[in-house]
Amino acid sequence: QVQLVQSGSELKKPGASVKISCKASGYNLTVHAINWVRQAPGQGLQWMGWINTNTGIPMYAQGFTGRFVFSLDTSVNTAYVQIIGLKSDDSAIYYCARTRSPGSWGSFGIWGQGTMITVS
Amino acid sequence: DTVLTQSPGSLAVSLGERATINCKSSQSVLYSSDNKNYLAWYQQKPGQPPKLLVYWASTRESGVPDRFSGSGSGTDFTLTITSLQAEDVAVYYCHQYYSTPDTFGQGTKLEIK
Repeated sequence: QVQLVQSGSELKKPGASVKISCKASGYNLTVHAINWVRQAPGQGLQWMGWINTNTGIPMYAQGFTGRFVFSLDTSVNTAYVQIIGLKSDDSAIYYCARTRSPGSWGSFGIWGQGTMITVS
Repeated sequence: DTVLTQSPGSLAVSLGERATINCKSSQSVLYSSDNKNYLAWYQQKPGQPPKLLVYWASTRESGVPDRFSGSGSGTDFTLTITSLQAEDVAVYYCHQYYSTPDTFGQGTKLEIK
């Protein structure tokens, strides 16, 4: 079964860092790009950027540069996002999402279950 | 950035009736070289991640009931749910993947009247 399983919720203090994992199962992580999407409490979806799982090259949306780091560990079929210097505004649910078709472009066919990050 | 504006922001429809959600893009998402509209629709139920319903503006994802259909081209798109069921209560989002950054509409909350 193709799925993305994310790490669990975390409560962090302002200024701390957090690293969220997104483990792919049922397929090879390197075949489909991984996107990251943020959803603040009661709000809509915001695209954070994506990582080319073939090259490991990340691309960040405006507003997610500097403190956000996308990475991979292909040996364990897992993508990560690290958030450095957490602020209260970072409190949100973070989703990883796989492109529906192989490659780096497209709709998001598979989503992780989400990871709630609370900064307080 | 491409702005997607959904309308209405919320709507209430009776069971068995039709629901129509619109998504207007600030620029065309039709790619001339493949004649595809780079637009998708998602359904998000409370406490769940979004679920892909439609991609390429009108192609239904496998396993999605055929009461869901997408239409439109260029800058104007519609998601139609015929014969609304109780399980369709959710927030619906459009998403353009034509140009970076990807953007989402603000969402439409669908409830039962």
